[in-house]
Amino acid sequence: GAVVSQHPSRVICKSGTSVKIECRSLDFQATTMFWYRQFPKQSLMLMATSNEGSKATYEQGVEKDKFLINHASLTLSTLTVTSAHPEDSSFYICSAPQGGAEAFFGQGTRLTVV
Amino acid sequence: AQSVAQPEDQVNVAEGNPLTVKCTYSVSGNPYLFWYVQYPNRGLQFLLKYITGDNLVKGSYGFEAEFNKSQTSFHLKKPSALVSDSALYFCAVRALRDTNAGKSTFGDGTTLTVKP
Repeated sequence: GAVVSQHPSRVICKSGTSVKIECRSLDFQATTMFWYRQFPKQSLMLMATSNEGSKATYEQGVEKDKFLINHASLTLSTLTVTSAHPEDSSFYICSAPQGGAEAFFGQGTRLTVV
Repeated sequence: AQSVAQPEDQVNVAEGNPLTVKCTYSVSGNPYLFWYVQYPNRGLQFLLKYITGDNLVKGSYGFEAEFNKSQTSFHLKKPSALVSDSALYFCAVRALRDTNAGKSTFGDGTTLTVKP
């Protein structure tokens, strides 16, 4: 089946620094990818839709300048958490639809800001 | 607006017993319905989906789900639970007419624990 790879799986960074998370579709092209945030024991919250070759679409309440999204190719979307703070610590997950109705998810990235 | 309810935060079953994880939904028009499983510190893994056709859908790892339109439910079931089935399960829905996979709404998740 379709595979979506997310990297890194874990990252610890200092407060004030920026962190980049990559999401790759390994065996298919994805013109659209989705970025989610998941708090402990909670559901997924859609942050933004990444569109290849154009600007990302952000959900209400998500800071565009804080969470920079770039979708430069048909197989890669990146999420950069800028000037990270401890409250940005979370589990971030990407997904990409491929053909059928369901989306395929990356492995997730555990971000810890200290 | 669409929504998903997973009424049980936690489901505990003994290995070998049947399991049910409940899901009810609300959506305008006909639904796409999905079940995903998440293991600790991992992304979501697709289990099964309902679009049209038979109300009983069979998916990965012996799981199945039954679509009940009158009760707006899509409960996940397995005849004989395994310890390895222990994980967090998410139900998701979006309108059939909506081709944008990002528009799916996820439930809050149900933690399934299967005890030996």
